Amino acid sequence: SQTIHQWPATLVQPVGSPLSLECTVEGTSNPNLYWYRQAAGRGLQLLFYSVGIGQISSEVPQNLSASRPQDRQFILSSKKLLLSDSGFYLCAWSEGYTGELFFGEGSRLTVL
Amino acid sequence: AQSVTQLDSQVPVFEEAPVELRCNYSSSVSVYLFWYVQYPNQGLQLLLKYLSGSTLVESINGFEAEFNKSQTSFHLRKPSVHISDTAEYFCAVSETGGFKTIFGAGTRLFVKA
Repeated sequence: SQTIHQWPATLVQPVGSPLSLECTVEGTSNPNLYWYRQAAGRGLQLLFYSVGIGQISSEVPQNLSASRPQDRQFILSSKKLLLSDSGFYLCAWSEGYTGELFFGEGSRLTVL
Repeated sequence: AQSVTQLDSQVPVFEEAPVELRCNYSSSVSVYLFWYVQYPNQGLQLLLKYLSGSTLVESINGFEAEFNKSQTSFHLRKPSVHISDTAEYFCAVSETGGFKTIFGAGTRLFVKA
């Protein structure tokens, strides 16, 4: 069966520090991969998605970036965090074109 | 571009009462529709989905939703809620043939004893 792992689960970082959140999917090949951010009362905001290695689509201009160095690995990064980057970050994967997503457990980032 | 509106941010309801969580979407093409549930500090889990066929879809724990194309709605209902249904519920839409799934702002369901 397919599984998705996301880490770290919790992160507290100072303003201006770098960020790296990692996500790995097991049990499938060539998945579509996604990063969402959840802020209180604002639902889930799609940040990035990828349909293949090295292919990244950005949905929202910001100081975050994403990379897909391997088929089942998706990384969210920042060179310098802002206070507004605080939130709950969710990685997800899907197959094909149905749009049905399978989510990781999330990473809670607090920027101080 | 598609969008999703969840009309209620919070819905308090007593245990064993019926509940309806409302969802409207906007899209210029045909869509797939979803309801996800999120328990505190966890990721989202798929509750039910409409891809094609019957417009009434059901989950294993008693929820149902009906796709209404003319009203562009996909409301979630349950005839009798339990304390354990307390969670946040998200409606989502994906354009057929597309890769992006867009979510509503969520509705927090609070079931009281």
